[in-house]
Amino acid sequence: KAGVTQTPRYLIKTRGQQVTLSCSPISGHRSVSWYQQTPGQGLQFLFEYFSETQRNKGNFPGRFSGRQFSNSRSEMNVSTLELGDSALYLCASSLNGGTYSSYNEQFFGPGTRLTVL
Amino acid sequence: KQEVTQIPAALSVPEGENLVLNCSFTDSAIYNLQWFRQDPGKGLTSLLLIQSSQREQTSGRLNASLDKSSGRSTLYIAASQPGDSATYLCAPRNTGFQKLVFGTGTRLLVSP
Repeated sequence: KAGVTQTPRYLIKTRGQQVTLSCSPISGHRSVSWYQQTPGQGLQFLFEYFSETQRNKGNFPGRFSGRQFSNSRSEMNVSTLELGDSALYLCASSLNGGTYSSYNEQFFGPGTRLTVL
Repeated sequence: KQEVTQIPAALSVPEGENLVLNCSFTDSAIYNLQWFRQDPGKGLTSLLLIQSSQREQTSGRLNASLDKSSGRSTLYIAASQPGDSATYLCAPRNTGFQKLVFGTGTRLLVSP
């Protein structure tokens, strides 16, 4: 079974531009979450999508947005890029079989390394 | 607001030692807790998921324990190997959704 895939793996952008990152979850997984990882702030939750609906959102500005498609693939978009947006962006998927279910185990992709110049 | 602390921040040991990595969290109303490893520049690999109703979970040389009431989890690594060198992260989940809150991790180096 293929794992979580993320494209592209590396991106270089300049300030003010916008960027779209893509995530394909493990087949059958319906929940996709996004995280930002930086040396200063560590791993921080961005948002979670389930059945094409955003269910939970972290404390990030509105420049960060996302969506999920009917096949559970997800994209996140960052507009008006700032230097501080340089980070490793990680996507995670899970089956989401219930609150206490082991199906809530999250599996992460390799990440997209975004550099903003 | 959940806050997660991992001690020690870094650990360097010779091969073969048994290790204990500690994770503490402030909000004990968790559904489960996951332990991950991360190699430099890579994504996270899930090691163990322990449900709030469980006390222990084992996978190979790894054993995770959970004391929910005191807000603590421990990852025990038996007979460490150089391939275990990585950063280890714990992440409790409080809500009914999939948001994980991560600690800052323990950076482990196992030398041959």
